[in-house]
Order: sequence, then C-alpha cells, then structure tokens
Amino acid sequence: EAGVAQSPRYKIIEKRQSVAFWCNPISGHATLYWYQQILGQGPKLLIQFQNNGVVDDSQLPKDRFSAERLKGVDSTLKIQPAKLEDSAVYLCASSLGDRGQNSPLHFGNGTRLTVT
Amino acid sequence: DAKTTQPPSMDCAEGRAANLPCNHSTISGNEYVYWYRQIHSQGPQYIIHGLKNNETNEMASLIITEDRKSSTLILPHATLRDTAVYYCIVRKGNMLTFGGGTRLMVKP
Repeated sequence: EAGVAQSPRYKIIEKRQSVAFWCNPISGHATLYWYQQILGQGPKLLIQFQNNGVVDDSQLPKDRFSAERLKGVDSTLKIQPAKLEDSAVYLCASSLGDRGQNSPLHFGNGTRLTVT
Repeated sequence: DAKTTQPPSMDCAEGRAANLPCNHSTISGNEYVYWYRQIHSQGPQYIIHGLKNNETNEMASLIITEDRKSSTLILPHATLRDTAVYYCIVRKGNMLTFGGGTRLMVKP
C-alpha cells in the first residue's frame, strides 16, 4: 500500500512570509494528524482530524497556523506569517481510526521548513 | 498522559540482539504501549504495539511486564540499518505523545 505522501520535501522562506504544506494520507484512513518536530526533539502534535472535522487543535498556534482537510482526504497546513522559531520538520500521519488506540499511526517523511 | 522513561542512548553490536527498555509506571489499564523509530531525515516508522500480552512481528518483539509498568523492545539481530532513535509511547486516546527516545547505535 502507498504510504503517506507529503510535499514539498524542503522549503526555505523568509520570516513574515507565508507557506503551505500538503498531505495525502493512506487511502481509507479516516484520521489525519499534523506534527511539528524541532531539531533534536520528538514530534509534537499540532492538530488531529477525524474525516474532515477537527478533533484536537489545542496545540496549534491559531494566530498564525491553520489547517484544513477538505472532503476528508487531503490536508493542508498553512503558516502565515512565519517566524524564525517555526523552522522545523512538519510531519503528517494517518490512521484507520476504527479501532481507537489499536490503530497505528503511519507517518510521511515530512516537509523540512527553514525560516530565515 | 502516562510518562515514559528511556535511556538517552545505547550501543549494540551488529548481529546481536538489541534490547531497548522503557519504564511507564503510571500507565492506565486501557492504554497501549507503542514503539516507533526514526531514521535520520525520515518520518517515524511504526514498529509494534501491545496492551498486555507480548507481541512479535517481522520487525521486533515487545515484552510487557505483568504489572505493565515497563516494557522491552527486542530487535533480534541488529543491523547497521537499525541505527535510529527509538520512541516508546504510552498512547492516550487517539493521539501519540513523543518523548525524547533512545538513540540506538549499531556498530560493526
């Protein structure tokens, strides 16, 4: 089965610019997650979708970050305006979600963002 | 969330078994233990998970103590490609909360 696809793989922008990341989850996976991973740290959850509805966005900096999952499939994560501290790898993950905790998450290889 | 404690780093000789420990003394009865690994420049890769019973798949074995307060991930024959950061996670609800993990270095 095809894995979680993310694009672009790398992105370099200047501070105060905007940027968007795209994620295509594994086919049939109802639950989609966006994580932020700062260098040297473990991934941190930003937002979780169940189909096209938001389940948890408590860790999302909503003044600058936004995410959507139209039609319950692909998702985009946007940052506007970017700050230097947003430099990180942005990871998308998906799971079937039908067995709760018993459904593993599968991750993409992420988008590495550098803000200068 | 139930916290996990892992050693920050470990070494293992190529071809030998790698045993990665994890303490999760505050785990609740319905929380699963998950293991992921992350190789440089890649996303976390799912390895295995379990609730109470020991589990085995093509990648690894997971041994969970009877009181569920600790677990061990076993890579039976480590190769150089197993060099990675290994995360032990107690899963609460539908999300995964990552800690610092164990950096496993497999040496020739």
